[in-house]
Amino acid sequence: AQSVTQLGSHVSVSEGALVLLRCNYSSSVPPYLFWYVQYPNQGLQLLLKYTSAATLVKGINGFEAEFKKSETSFHLTKPSAHMSDAAEYFCAVSAGGGATNKLIFGTGTLLAVQP
Amino acid sequence: DTGVSQDPRHKITKRGQNVTFRCDPISEHNRLYWYRQTLGQGPEFLTYFQNEAQLEKSRLLSDRFSAERPKGSFSTLEIQRTEQGDSAMYLCASSLGGAPETQYFGPGTRLLVL
Repeated sequence: AQSVTQLGSHVSVSEGALVLLRCNYSSSVPPYLFWYVQYPNQGLQLLLKYTSAATLVKGINGFEAEFKKSETSFHLTKPSAHMSDAAEYFCAVSAGGGATNKLIFGTGTLLAVQP
Repeated sequence: DTGVSQDPRHKITKRGQNVTFRCDPISEHNRLYWYRQTLGQGPEFLTYFQNEAQLEKSRLLSDRFSAERPKGSFSTLEIQRTEQGDSAMYLCASSLGGAPETQYFGPGTRLLVL
């Protein structure tokens, strides 16, 4: 069975500071991994996805994530936080290759950006 | 590409009433998913359609829940005899499949059961 764990339900950074949101996964098969962002009262928007083509994945809005198999991690980073980055971020895993590619989400990390 | 749309965006109902939500996927997307998100949690899978066939249902989907996707286009999710525990955001997502599959989410329907 697949699962993801997001460490830190709340993260606060100053504008311009590094953003690091942590995600660890568990999967019995090579995983497909995703990061989604959710703004208040909105649906989820895909930030980036790991496809096994490259371990460092670049996404939208300056975010990137690195897949580390040895650490079973897929942490999300952004070099310099912007006020507009304040939102909730979800890491998700999908087994792929089966009848359904349902996503298994973590509990989310709420990012606050201080001026 | 008009994106995934959901209707209504908000629904307030009294316990015991029936409610129905609609999801219109991105055109030509043959896969459609329903998820439920409660406060402080990530979305949880409810059910999945490939075209008009409902291929998987979560154990979260009690007998009071039913979903349809007639003709493989829009989908409806009905909750009968609503309970306060049904209060949540109901999210719909669609995709073209593939590996990996990218799911595109709608804005959600927020349900409040009084």
